[in-house]
Amino acid sequence: EAQVTQNPRYLITVTGKKLTVTCSQNMNHEYMSWYRQDPGLGLRQIYYSMNVEVTDKGDVPEGYKVSRKEKRNFPLILESPSPNQTSLYFCASSSGASYNEQFFGPGTRLTVL
Amino acid sequence: KQEVTQIPAALSVPEGENLVLNCSFTDSAIYNLQWFRQDPGKGLTSLLLIQSSQREQTSGRLNASLDKSSGRSTLYIAASQPGDSATYLCAAFSNSGYALNFGKGTSLLVTP
Repeated sequence: EAQVTQNPRYLITVTGKKLTVTCSQNMNHEYMSWYRQDPGLGLRQIYYSMNVEVTDKGDVPEGYKVSRKEKRNFPLILESPSPNQTSLYFCASSSGASYNEQFFGPGTRLTVL
Repeated sequence: KQEVTQIPAALSVPEGENLVLNCSFTDSAIYNLQWFRQDPGKGLTSLLLIQSSQREQTSGRLNASLDKSSGRSTLYIAASQPGDSATYLCAAFSNSGYALNFGKGTSLLVTP
């Protein structure tokens, strides 16, 4: 089944404890991106990747890092999480150009205490 | 920057009614517009994608239209059912960026 998977689905952590949220797709998509969803603010892009080893900042990249060493994986790294990073995170992917149909993962609900 | 607005923010209709959800965007230079459905606490399910060269797309009881000149898209749901209750999001992919710009969504409740 074609899908985008994220792990973990739920995470409660404390300020400053480094964490990684994994994202993997099995559709051989070139483009992948991360969004966060917050009440009243909607979905905003954090980082995106056009292909392996090609990443760039979205609208709200502060406090996050990404890497794209393999085509199928695009992990989101929070080096020193803070309470304002408490949010619902989504990974997305699309084939070929970035503006093709986007497929989203199930989301990761992160709480930083 | 592309701004996407969805009106109304919430809508309640009785089962069986036909309804229209509205989406407007400020920059007409878009590659495509995508409609999603989101159930509470869940991920986004893609409903319809309209390329910039298209005027509408249909899938089952859903029909989405796109008018770039006026900066508007509509999602038409025919014969609504309680299972259609969810938040509907529209998102535009602008020529100038590499991200979907989302509206804040319309929360739909279909009552039996």
